[in-house]
Amino acid sequence: GAGVSQSPSNKVTEKGKDVELRCDPISGHTALYWYRQSLGQGLEFLIYFQGNSAPDKSGLPSDRFSAERTGGSVSTLTIQRTQQEDSAVYLCASSPLGRGDTQYFGPGTRLTVL
Amino acid sequence: KNEVEQSPQNLTAQEGEFITINCSYSVGISALHWLQQHPGGGIVSLFMLSSGKKKHGRLIATINIQEKHSSLHITASHPRDSAVYICAVRSSQYGNKLVFGAGTILRVKS
Repeated sequence: GAGVSQSPSNKVTEKGKDVELRCDPISGHTALYWYRQSLGQGLEFLIYFQGNSAPDKSGLPSDRFSAERTGGSVSTLTIQRTQQEDSAVYLCASSPLGRGDTQYFGPGTRLTVL
Repeated sequence: KNEVEQSPQNLTAQEGEFITINCSYSVGISALHWLQQHPGGGIVSLFMLSSGKKKHGRLIATINIQEKHSSLHITASHPRDSAVYICAVRSSQYGNKLVFGAGTILRVKS
């Protein structure tokens, strides 16, 4: 079946602009995660959605970052007033139930802030 | 000091060699993941384990909870195994989110 999909695959934006990144998880997966991988850095947790529970936003680096998940499926990560240090690959993953499961990763969105 | 340490950072092997990648962590964990990231960027989950050993094809993952250490072994390595291998742990001390190691870059030469 279809895996996790993300769009766009690449995004180039100017400093100060807002961007929206989209994630379509595997159908039926209740848990959804966003991660960031900066150049030369390891993966970094951003936010976790589980069903109808309040999301775990503890990894969001600043209040310029927000995410929502509509209808328990598609998620959008929004970065307002982008900065050059926001340049990274943003990865989405989903899992069937929750944090105890294997996670299935999307291909990522490469964000470049000029 | 990183919460999750991997070694080596870089590894070059000849096709057919037995490969070991190590991961150490500092807190009690509920699970440890091994992930593979290919040059195109896609990440695949290889193993999730909380004790003992798991095997899938030529890949073997072991974990020693007491020593807070895990190893990923690749037998009969092949150039297609060339990738970044990432260790990640989940712990209540980290709010149950995954905390990742920096990765080990493996290159297998033919």
